[in-house]
Amino acid sequence: DTEVTQTPKHLVMGMTNKKSLKCEQHMGHRAMYWYKQKAKKPPELMFVYSYEKLSINESVPSRFSPECPNSSLLNLHLHALQPEDSALYLCASSQVDFSGQPQHFGDGTRLSIL
Amino acid sequence: SQQGEEDPQALSIQEGENATMNCSYKTSINNLQWYRQNSGRGLVHLILIRSNEREKHSGRLRVTLDTSKKSSSLLITASRAADTASYFCATDARGNNRLAFGKGNQVVVIP
Repeated sequence: DTEVTQTPKHLVMGMTNKKSLKCEQHMGHRAMYWYKQKAKKPPELMFVYSYEKLSINESVPSRFSPECPNSSLLNLHLHALQPEDSALYLCASSQVDFSGQPQHFGDGTRLSIL
Repeated sequence: SQQGEEDPQALSIQEGENATMNCSYKTSINNLQWYRQNSGRGLVHLILIRSNEREKHSGRLRVTLDTSKKSSSLLITASRAADTASYFCATDARGNNRLAFGKGNQVVVIP
C-alpha cells in the first residue's frame, strides 16, 4: 500500500465534462506534485505546491486547474480535456526541501478522454 | 538538454542473475535518485545518492555516481521475478527545484 492515496483509480470522461482528481497524504509533507505520464514514458511534471501555495506551473494548459485546500490534500480539476490528455496522472509528496528529498508517489488515476 | 537520460535498453534476464542499468546527465546536480515502477502502479523511491558520494548500497541494490562523467549505474544483484519493472533515474539539478526523470529502463526477470 502506498502512503499517497489517489482517487479515482480510473476515470473515463467526455471532452465537455468537468471532473476532479484527488490526492491525499498524511506524512506531514509540505510539498505536493502533479505529474502526467504517457505509456512507456517518464513522468512529466505539471504542478508543484509548497506550503499550500503553487510554486511551479510547467506551462500546463488552463483546462487543468490545481487546488491545494490544505497540507494533506491536492486536487486537479479537469474541464474540456482533449483526447491527447489521456494518460496516467500521478500525485507525489515530499518534505519541502527539494534537495535530497525522495518523492512518495500514489498509484495514479488512469484517465481516458472519449 | 535532457537530464537523467538512461542508456536505451530493455533488459531480459534469468532469475538469480544481476541486472545493471546506466544513467547519464548533462548538468551539475545536487543528487541523483532511482525509482522503480511496476506495471500499473506509481513510482517507488529506491535510493538517493548525493553529488559528494561515489557509491551507495541498499539491500540488493548498488548505485554508483561518477560526477566527472556525469553518469550513474544501478546494479540489482540476485534478481527476482518481483524485480520486473521499469527503472527511472531522476536528477535534482542545482538551482532547479524539480526532478528531471530519465527515459527509463524496462527490466524483465524470467523465473
